[in-house]
Amino acid sequence: GIQVEQSPPDLILQEGANSTLRCNFSDSVNNLQWFHQNPWGQLINLFYIPSGTKQNGRLSATTVATERYSLLYISSSQTTDSGVYFCAVEDYNNAGNMLTFGGGTRLMVKP
Amino acid sequence: NAGVTQTPKFQVLKTGQSMTLQCAQDMNHEYMSWYRQDPGMGLRLIHYSVGAGITDQGEVPNGYNVSRSTTEDFPLRLLSAAPSQTSVYFCASSYEKYTEAFFGQGTRLTVV
Repeated sequence: GIQVEQSPPDLILQEGANSTLRCNFSDSVNNLQWFHQNPWGQLINLFYIPSGTKQNGRLSATTVATERYSLLYISSSQTTDSGVYFCAVEDYNNAGNMLTFGGGTRLMVKP
Repeated sequence: NAGVTQTPKFQVLKTGQSMTLQCAQDMNHEYMSWYRQDPGMGLRLIHYSVGAGITDQGEVPNGYNVSRSTTEDFPLRLLSAAPSQTSVYFCASSYEKYTEAFFGQGTRLTVV
């Protein structure tokens, strides 16, 4: 099956700093989503971005499908950005709602 | 709009007990699925459904059973709980193939 790798696995930032999280995948995809898992365990949808670039406030994402990677940018980080960020993909061979998740990037933003 | 609702939020079971995790969505989504999340890991697919009456296995289906009698509901059954099933369980739904998936708040299950 498709492999999804995220980097870095852990990231510590000072409040106000910018960061880039990366998601590499091993095959062509029809669906790519970024999620934020907050400290309470809830999965929050950030972006549905199988290709192209999207922005939502301080967050933006870019997926280059032909090169099989996606980037999540966090600008002016805040302590509330802490948590785990997951990339999940759905490839052409999937029969249904089968998201394959990466291992996540654990982000800690210090005040 | 409630989205995807899971119950219960927390559950403790003894080894060998059975239980059903409930999942309901009010978005008229055809696709529903169950994932489990173990410490320090991403989510892994247990079972999924592409519509009422249609289910299939995911990556880690052993020890779990599902059925889909209505569009709205997709319960997950543990027939005989084992400590290895201690995990956080998430239900998800999407309108159709390759569309945005939405997740419930999760059920934290401990089997002792």
